[in-house]
Amino acid sequence: AQSVAQPEDQVNVAEGNPLTVKCTYSVSGNPYLFWYVQYPNRGLQFLLKYITGDNLVKGSYGFEAEFNKSQTSFHLKKPSALVSDSALYFCAVREPLGSGNTPLVFGKGTRLSVIA
Amino acid sequence: EAQVTQNPRYLITVTGKKLTVTCSQNMNHEYMSWYRQDPGLGLRQIYYSMNVEVTDKGDVPEGYKVSRKEKRNFPLILESPSPNQTSLYFCASGDISGQPQHFGDGTRLSIL
Repeated sequence: AQSVAQPEDQVNVAEGNPLTVKCTYSVSGNPYLFWYVQYPNRGLQFLLKYITGDNLVKGSYGFEAEFNKSQTSFHLKKPSALVSDSALYFCAVREPLGSGNTPLVFGKGTRLSVIA
Repeated sequence: EAQVTQNPRYLITVTGKKLTVTCSQNMNHEYMSWYRQDPGLGLRQIYYSMNVEVTDKGDVPEGYKVSRKEKRNFPLILESPSPNQTSLYFCASGDISGQPQHFGDGTRLSIL
């Protein structure tokens, strides 16, 4: 069964500095990988996804993520953090459709705090 | 405007009293799904549906039912709610790729 680990409950970064939110996964076969962001009292918003192709994926709000198959990682990055990036971030993984029952599995989330 | 609408947003009820949380999307999406969010556990998928009359279990389906009679609606049914189903619930929809692209704003359920 697939699984996702977000090893850091909390990440603190100064405004203007680069940020990284870590995600590792376990899945049989080729993974579909996703990042979502949740602001207080709201549902999740989709940021970016990796299905196939270029290992560096660019998404919304200046975020990007790098798929690393050998390290089974999909870390979220941004070159210059903004205070408004402070939120809860979720990584998710799924096996490709057609692999039978393919539920989407989320990590436990990482709270990003960007300090002015 | 693309929207996923959940109702109610908040509900306090008692053990054993059947309840339904409705979810409706206006994007003609094939994929719809339900999640619960609990502190320290992140989001866990309850059920998902790839199209009308097609539903599949997620990671935590016990105690829940769903139906997909129409493309736009995907209600979550708790036939006999119990306190361990107290949680924040999210509905989501997406296209045929089977990825949630839009989430509702959540339904906070308290089962006493």
